[in-house]
Amino acid sequence: DAKTTQPTSMDCAEGRAANLPCNHSTISGNEYVYWYRQIHSQGPQYIIHGLKNNETNEMASLIITEDRKSSTLILPHATLRDTAVYYCIVSQGGSEKLVFGKGTKLTVNP
Amino acid sequence: DADVTQTPRNRITKTGKRIMLECSQTKGHDRMYWYRQDPGLGLRLIYYSFDVKDINKGEISDGYSVSRQAQAKFSLSLESAIPNQTALYFCATSGGLAGASRNEQFFGPGTRLTVL
Repeated sequence: DAKTTQPTSMDCAEGRAANLPCNHSTISGNEYVYWYRQIHSQGPQYIIHGLKNNETNEMASLIITEDRKSSTLILPHATLRDTAVYYCIVSQGGSEKLVFGKGTKLTVNP
Repeated sequence: DADVTQTPRNRITKTGKRIMLECSQTKGHDRMYWYRQDPGLGLRLIYYSFDVKDINKGEISDGYSVSRQAQAKFSLSLESAIPNQTALYFCATSGGLAGASRNEQFFGPGTRLTVL
């Protein structure tokens, strides 16, 4: 079973920031938080990962709470092409296992 | 050209037929994976391979077999297809140097398989 809890769906206006929450209250010290997204039936796409520090790349920012029990993926200026299912995954670094839950369906509206 | 390719992209077959799905990658990665996705659900791991001589069962390997013919090729076979194997199948690769980057997986475009 997935170790994360995400809302089933969210909406966001185009151009605004999309903030996608994820709860992972049972995360252990050597587990990372990964985010992937899947645009309608395409192969999932890696977005970002982090251990305990906040991370930023060209796609998104990842904010992890100090107790590491939850995190937020931030898309700073959402576009229509960001409409997708976003998966939050907890896994050990180097593990073969990525357990995909049902994710959050993000709809970016014009 | 795509780094991870899957063939065929779509396939309709009948119950009892043998089916092979193929995956090729040009990323030079050592790890390859096969997942299936059913409507409205997340991906589930079928098999994974860390190198040519290392094959491991995933969460739902029953009814499937795999072959790692070369570092760049990983095939999934359904020896006798059944209707509940109708799904979207994804191949993925990873090859980060160490640690967390090992879980940065790159996915192919998927194969839509229908078993009648």
